[in-house]
Order: sequence, then structure tokens, then C-alpha cells
Amino acid sequence: QKEVEQNSGPLSVPEGAIASLNCTYSDRVSQSFFWYRQYSGKSPELIMSIYSNGDKEDGRFTAQLNKASQYVSLLIRDSQPSDSATYLCASGRGGAAGNKLTFGGGTRVLVKP
Amino acid sequence: KAGVTQTPRYLIKTRGQQVTLSCSPISGHRSVSWYQQTPGQGLQFLFEYFSETQRNKGNFPGRFSGRQFSNSRSEMNVSTLELGDSALYLCASSVGTDTTGNTIYFGEGSWLTVV
Repeated sequence: QKEVEQNSGPLSVPEGAIASLNCTYSDRVSQSFFWYRQYSGKSPELIMSIYSNGDKEDGRFTAQLNKASQYVSLLIRDSQPSDSATYLCASGRGGAAGNKLTFGGGTRVLVKP
Repeated sequence: KAGVTQTPRYLIKTRGQQVTLSCSPISGHRSVSWYQQTPGQGLQFLFEYFSETQRNKGNFPGRFSGRQFSNSRSEMNVSTLELGDSALYLCASSVGTDTTGNTIYFGEGSWLTVV
């Protein structure tokens, strides 16, 4: 079992709709969670970070964290063709683990006009 | 503000050779981490350096090594290259060395092809 699991997709979403991405993690010590967007041939770009249970909103993006269920999600509202990319979920233990991030395999999102 | 700069961006090496990749972090950032990204294994942590000291190491063989200089610039070296080392090598920098409350920025990466 991978430490961070994501559905590889592709997740096909009509333009203007909500894209819902899910991620589960197995390391209960994980304290911080991140969503990165990666376009093909490019490097990952941070979209959201979340550390506490509940929701965190930033523009069209909302991250949700449920530590009891070891579950993180990302909602993309009003999806645009430019949102077509691979979305990577990552976790970090913090503390002595420093900046080590453990990544899921990524979910490929396709937004169709 | 300049981002994380990696050089070279693309390189081709032959099996058995060694390679050195360079990373200049964002100004003021003292932590540099390295990751390997392949289609099969995804993004995997190699190691992190903070204030010239290796802070953490991932599960990679000893052929993979790194160092950090006093100006926070970092290099990673892969010796005795194997075909499986073909990958995108990403450098990430941040101010501190704790993922909690600390934003990690990635460079554009170095594409290594081993033939």
C-alpha cells in the first residue's frame, strides 16, 4: 500500500463544473497536506496547503482535511480548460522529518470546453 | 523575486557515467530538497539539506549523493548511471525546514536521459 493514494484518472469534467479530487494517506503522524498542480513537462506548482481539519478556500479551490478518516480532498469550482493538469497530493510529517514530502501518484484532470 | 533555478535543464548521459545537477534556491531560502520523478514511481524524495547539513534522506542507493554550500546552493550527484536513473530531477527550496507552515517551491527540473 502506498503512503499516499490517489485515483489516477483521468477525471473528465465539463467546463464550468466542479472537479472533485480525493486523496487518502496511511501515515497517521502526517501533519501537513498539500495539493500541487503539474502541467505536462513542467514542475509542480503549489495550489493549497492545509494543516487543520475542515475546509480551506482559496479562490476557486477548496481543500478539505479529515485526519480521523485520513482523507484529503480538493474541489475546483468553475473548472476551466486551463485547469487540465495532473494534481498531486502530498503529505509531510514536519518536525524531525523536515521538508520531506510524500506524494501520491497524481490525478489527471481533463476539463472539456 | 527569482525562483528556484536548476541547471542543466536537459542532459543525456551514458550508462556508467556520473552526473552532477545544480540548484540555486530562492534568495533567503536555506532548505533545499531533491526529488526524482519517473512515470512508474512518481515523485520520490531523495534528500534535504539545511544549512549545509543533510537533514533527511530518502530510500535511494548510495550512488545518489548531494551537498549544500554556504550560499545555500546545492548539487546532487549520481554515480555509475543506470538506465533506470532516467528521470526528471526536481529541486525544491523553502525558508525553514518543517513542512508545517512552510511553503516549498519547486524548480523547473533537470531532465536526465541515460542511454
